[in-house]
Parts: sequence; structure tokens; C-alpha cells
Amino acid sequence: AQKITQTQPGMFVQEKEAVTLDCTYDTSDQSYGLFWYKQPSSGEMIFLIYQGSYDEQNATEGRYSLNFQKARKSANLVISASQLGDSAMYFCAMREATYNQGGKLIFGQGTELSVKP
Amino acid sequence: DAGITQSPRHKVTETGTPVTLRCHQTENHRYMYWYRQDPGHGLRLIHYSYGVKDTDKGEVSDGYSVSRSKTEDFLLTLESATSSQTSVYFCAISEKGNTGELFFGEGSRLTVL
Repeated sequence: AQKITQTQPGMFVQEKEAVTLDCTYDTSDQSYGLFWYKQPSSGEMIFLIYQGSYDEQNATEGRYSLNFQKARKSANLVISASQLGDSAMYFCAMREATYNQGGKLIFGQGTELSVKP
Repeated sequence: DAGITQSPRHKVTETGTPVTLRCHQTENHRYMYWYRQDPGHGLRLIHYSYGVKDTDKGEVSDGYSVSRSKTEDFLLTLESATSSQTSVYFCAISEKGNTGELFFGEGSRLTVL
């Protein structure tokens, strides 16, 4: 069965420093997608970055990069040059490629990131 | 921003009453999902739909039913609300069933007294 594990309930980082949020996953499928979402205190879910299981390059989106280590089944999010606005809850999620039935997105429990000025 | 509207955004109800939450999309996406979010649990899938009248259960479906009579609307019904169903409910949509991100609505906060 699918499972996503985020072992860091909360983290602090100094403004302008880089931070890594950990995510490990478990699946028996060969084809899947890995996602990170940000949820600020206002409550909305904001998509940040996506990595496909067959993608050889690590995904990057601006200050966000996904450190994908397939053999270790990890998909850590790296935020470079942290900003105060990065303070939020971050969720790792995985989607298996279930043909024609809408691959369900399974979430980890989240990591609350606090950026200190 | 993806066109997803949830209604109502906030609702307070009493134990035993039926409640229906509506998710409306203007993107014509095939796949729609209902999640609930509770402290310490992240987001958990309740039900999802992969087409009109095609729905299936998620990991926490007990006490919930769904219906999708047209592409743009996905309804979540609590037949007889209980206090354990106090939560924030998110609707999400996706264009593809095996790749790509889900886009989320703004959430509906339900309190069952």
C-alpha cells in the first residue's frame, strides 16, 4: 500500500538560509508521481513542485527543488534562500498511476516550517 | 488559478442532521476528489470520481456518500453528521488520472455540535 512519511513535525530556519524537508515513500508501483504542497496559515493548498518516477533529473521550480533518490524512496524538498513568507505547513504527497481511475493523491502528515528573521 | 468553488465555506450543524457540501469546477476536468484535513493526520481521501456517475471510496469513506451527475459538480453528503466529522473539507480536481497535480478548492470548515 502507498505510504508517505514526513518525520519532521516542525522545523526552524533562519531567513536567507536553505532548508531541507524530508519525505520518504513506499509503493510497489513503478510509475508514480511525487508532489509537494504548501499550506499557509490562510488554509489554501498551493502546489509547489512535481517529480515523476521516470524523471532522471531532479525537479526545480524557482527556489524549490526536489531531491529525488529513487533507490532510497526519498523525495526531499529543498528551499533555497528562505523567506519569511515561506513559513507554512508543507505536505509531501504521492500519486500512483492507476489507469483511468484517477490516481489518488496520498499525503504525509506535514512539516510546519517557521522562518526566523 | 483553477476554477474551483466550494460551498458552503463555513457551516455549523448539530449531530444527526444531514449535510451536503458542494464542489463546483469550471475547468472541465474529469477527476474530482474530496479530502478531509484534521490536526495530526494531514489530508485524507474520502471519495473520488473519475467521471460522471463514476465514483469510488477513499481511505475514510465511512459516514460519507458522494454524487456526480455532471462534470462540473461533485457533492459530498454526510447522511447523519457526527462530532467526529468536524473537520476542514477540501475538494480537488485533476485533468489527468495518472500524472499531474491536483488543484484544490479553498476548503469548507464544518463544525458538528
